[in-house]
Amino acid sequence: DVKVTQSSRYLVKRTGEKVFLECVQDMDHENMFWYRQDPGLGLRLIYFSYDVKMKEKGDIPEGYSVSREKKERFSLILESASTNQTSMYLCASSFGTRGETQYFGPGTRLLVL
Amino acid sequence: EDQVTQSPEALRLQEGESSSLNCSYTVSGLRGLFWYRQDPGKGPEFLFTLYSAGEEKEKERLKATLTKKESFLHITAPKPEDSATYLCAGSGGTSYGKLTFGQGTILTVHP
Repeated sequence: DVKVTQSSRYLVKRTGEKVFLECVQDMDHENMFWYRQDPGLGLRLIYFSYDVKMKEKGDIPEGYSVSREKKERFSLILESASTNQTSMYLCASSFGTRGETQYFGPGTRLLVL
Repeated sequence: EDQVTQSPEALRLQEGESSSLNCSYTVSGLRGLFWYRQDPGKGPEFLFTLYSAGEEKEKERLKATLTKKESFLHITAPKPEDSATYLCAGSGGTSYGKLTFGQGTILTVHP
């Protein structure tokens, strides 16, 4: 069965803190994605990775960075958290390069105070 | 630029009242059209992938169809547990399967 897990369901951080969100998939997928979801704005792609140590910017990469040292793990880093980064963060993974299905984790709801 | 538009934004149905959700897309070189269900506070749950016009897929009370411009999610005799947000997304000719999502349709089914 497909499994994508995220390190935290809820997170509260202070402005200026460095925040790490971690995602792990057990399906040996090449591709991993980080999205944020906000009311009225839908899902927006932050970064994605198509292989270990490879990354590509999505639509809204500003204020974020990512790390993929192992195939199964993809981390999203907020270098200096700001209140406008309060959001629901969703990780997904998929196999191959031809539009295969993305499978999502349960999400992390981040509140930056 | 790829675009996916869903309508209506919200839909209220009585239990047993069948209806359809619409997903219009302009996705260059469409490789797949995806439907997801999302419950409040949770990640999207995969429902269907459609690859070519004319394709149909069914799962319990749900049936997804695809034309060259639109996809429909038909809900037959819905139950309150079908209440959720339904998301549509397209994957285009770009590599690595990046998805363009619609805004979603919030479905509420009253008993």
